[in-house]
Amino acid sequence: NAGVTQTPKFRILKIGQSMTLQCTQDMNHNYMYWYRQDPGMGLKLIYYSVGAGITDKGEVPNGYNVSRSTTEDFPLRLELAAPSQTSVYFCASSGQTGYTFGSGTRLTVV
Amino acid sequence: DQQVKQNSPSLSVQEGRISILNCDYTNSMFDYFLWYKKYPAEGPTFLISISSIKDKNEDGRFTVFLNKSAKHLSLHIVPSQPGDSAVYFCAGGGSNYKLTFGKGTLLTVNP
Repeated sequence: NAGVTQTPKFRILKIGQSMTLQCTQDMNHNYMYWYRQDPGMGLKLIYYSVGAGITDKGEVPNGYNVSRSTTEDFPLRLELAAPSQTSVYFCASSGQTGYTFGSGTRLTVV
Repeated sequence: DQQVKQNSPSLSVQEGRISILNCDYTNSMFDYFLWYKKYPAEGPTFLISISSIKDKNEDGRFTVFLNKSAKHLSLHIVPSQPGDSAVYFCAGGGSNYKLTFGKGTLLTVNP
């Protein structure tokens, strides 16, 4: 039972580059989320989804986009990377079995 | 506007003693609260939760207390073990399943 899987674990981007952070879950959870954690701060919600085809903005959505074409996958897209997006990104899902986090993606924008 | 506050950035206790981590909140609409533990380079892992209609929930060495009138909750770990050393996050949740996290408290349990 893999739970929530995020790839990649680490990435360095140059300013202006784009990338997609992948997230997949195998628990058949309807709800999925993307959070970012900056040093010394709590997790802040970027985007979330209540089911396939439905997404909504969280607390800090600027500079990001998401899609939810299947129940399992919830990729996060950065179109024009900026140094302010240097952070650790966590994907999570929730359902009957509770709230589960992935192990995170550490992104550095230089 | 911090809806969930963990005012102690760090806490150090001796092995075998009690650890008490505190959390305050301002949002009266939270239906439940959760505590997560996070080790470096790992994602947060669920520890214990409490519904807003309860005032206590216990799971082994971990007990969470909720005081709704004071908008305060606390996590008690008894007895504390060195393996409990981690960052602990308090979070509040509502009907929309979104969680609002505090900034975390680094717990260090000394052997």
